[in-house]
Amino acid sequence: EAQVTQNPRYLITVTGKKLTVTCSQNMNHEYMSWYRQDPGLGLRQIYYSMNVEVTDKGDVPEGYKVSRKEKRNFPLILESPSPNQTSLYFCASSLIGGGAGYEQYFGPGTRLTVT
Amino acid sequence: QKEVEQNSGPLSVPEGAIASLNCTYSDRGSQSFFWYRQYSGKSPELIMFIYSNGDKEDGRFTAQLNKASQYVSLLIRDSQPSDSATYLCAVRGAYNFNKFYFGSGTKLNVKP
Repeated sequence: EAQVTQNPRYLITVTGKKLTVTCSQNMNHEYMSWYRQDPGLGLRQIYYSMNVEVTDKGDVPEGYKVSRKEKRNFPLILESPSPNQTSLYFCASSLIGGGAGYEQYFGPGTRLTVT
Repeated sequence: QKEVEQNSGPLSVPEGAIASLNCTYSDRGSQSFFWYRQYSGKSPELIMFIYSNGDKEDGRFTAQLNKASQYVSLLIRDSQPSDSATYLCAVRGAYNFNKFYFGSGTKLNVKP
């Protein structure tokens, strides 16, 4: 089954404790992206990657890191989480170009609470 | 000014009616537009994309794009209770095609 998986699905942590949210896709997609979703603000792009070792900032990259060492994986790293990073996080992937262009497939989401 | 604006709703329509969802965007150079549906507690899923001015139809869904007025709309004909969800408008970056901007979504309630 074609899918994007994220782990963990739920996480409660404390300020300053480093954490990693994993994202993996099995569709051989070049493009992967991380979003956060907050009430009233919609989805905001954190980082994206065009392919292995190619990453760039989205609109809200502060406090986050990413890496793309393998095509299928795109982990999101919070080196020192703060309460304002409490949010619902989505990973997405898509092919580049093609008939549907950037049809993004989203993972199930990770609800992060930082206390 | 936000890149993409949507009325948060809720928009309530009776079953069988046409639901009309609207979205405006700020960057005149934007070329690609997407509508996603998000059920409560779930992840967004793509309904339609549109690149050219005019209408694009897919089953009960019609996307309309007017680049001169910088708005995109989604019409849902014969609305069903199962269409009740939040609809997100997304715009691909005009100068950086790898960036995406989402509206905050319009919540649609279809009443039986």
